[in-house]
Amino acid sequence: DGGITQSPKYLFRKEGQNVTLSCEQNLNHDAMYWYRQDPGQGLRLIYYSQIVNDFQKGDIAEGYSVSREKKESFPLTVTSAQKNPTAFYLCASSGLAATHGQFFGPGTRLTVL
Amino acid sequence: RKEVEQDPGPFNVPEGATVAFNCTYSNSASQSFFWYRQDCRKEPKLLMSVYSSGNEDGRFTAQLNRASQYISLLIRDSKLSDSATYLCSASGTYKYIFGTGTRLKVLA
Repeated sequence: DGGITQSPKYLFRKEGQNVTLSCEQNLNHDAMYWYRQDPGQGLRLIYYSQIVNDFQKGDIAEGYSVSREKKESFPLTVTSAQKNPTAFYLCASSGLAATHGQFFGPGTRLTVL
Repeated sequence: RKEVEQDPGPFNVPEGATVAFNCTYSNSASQSFFWYRQDCRKEPKLLMSVYSSGNEDGRFTAQLNRASQYISLLIRDSKLSDSATYLCSASGTYKYIFGTGTRLKVLA
C-alpha cells in the first residue's frame, strides 16, 4: 500500500521543549511539504523539499527546522522558539512538476501544555 | 489580498440539491489547480484536478476560467456523505497555495 505516514497522531509537549514529528512516504515522490493548519486559517506552508539534502522555507518557517536525508523521510522539529506551536501539522508529498496534486499524511495534532 | 480565496460558507443544502463553489486566485502564473475534500479533524484528500476543458467525475464537475482567474466545483445530487470542507489549491512550479476552505453541510 502506497501512502504517507505521520507519527505520532497526538503529541503533548511542555513549553520550552523541542519535539520532532515524523513523516514517511513510499510513493516515490521527490517533493515533500510540511503545513500547519489552524482553525479558520487554512493550510500554511512551513517548509518544503524538492530533493534529498535540500529544502526551502515556506511562509511560516520561524521556530521550525527540517531535514531531508532520505527521499522517503522529511521530519519536522518544532523548537521552543515557536511561539504558538499548538496546531494540526500535515505532511504532504507530490511529484516535482506540481501538476498532479498533493497527497497528505493523516496529520499530527500537537498540543503545548 | 490572499492568493487563493474561497467563501467559507457554510453552505447548508438539502439532500439531492446541486451546489456550486467558486474559488478565485490572484497569481496569473499559476499552472495547475485542484479541489480537495477535508473531513473534520482529518487530512485533505485530493478530489480532482481542474482543467480549462472541464473535468467530470461522477456527480462532481470542476471548471477553470483563466480569463477571470477562478475555478469552480459543482456537486450534483448532494448526499449526506458530501458534508465536508472543500479546499481549492493553485500551484506554481513547486508550491501549492490553498484557500481556507468552504464548508458544506448536506441536510436530510
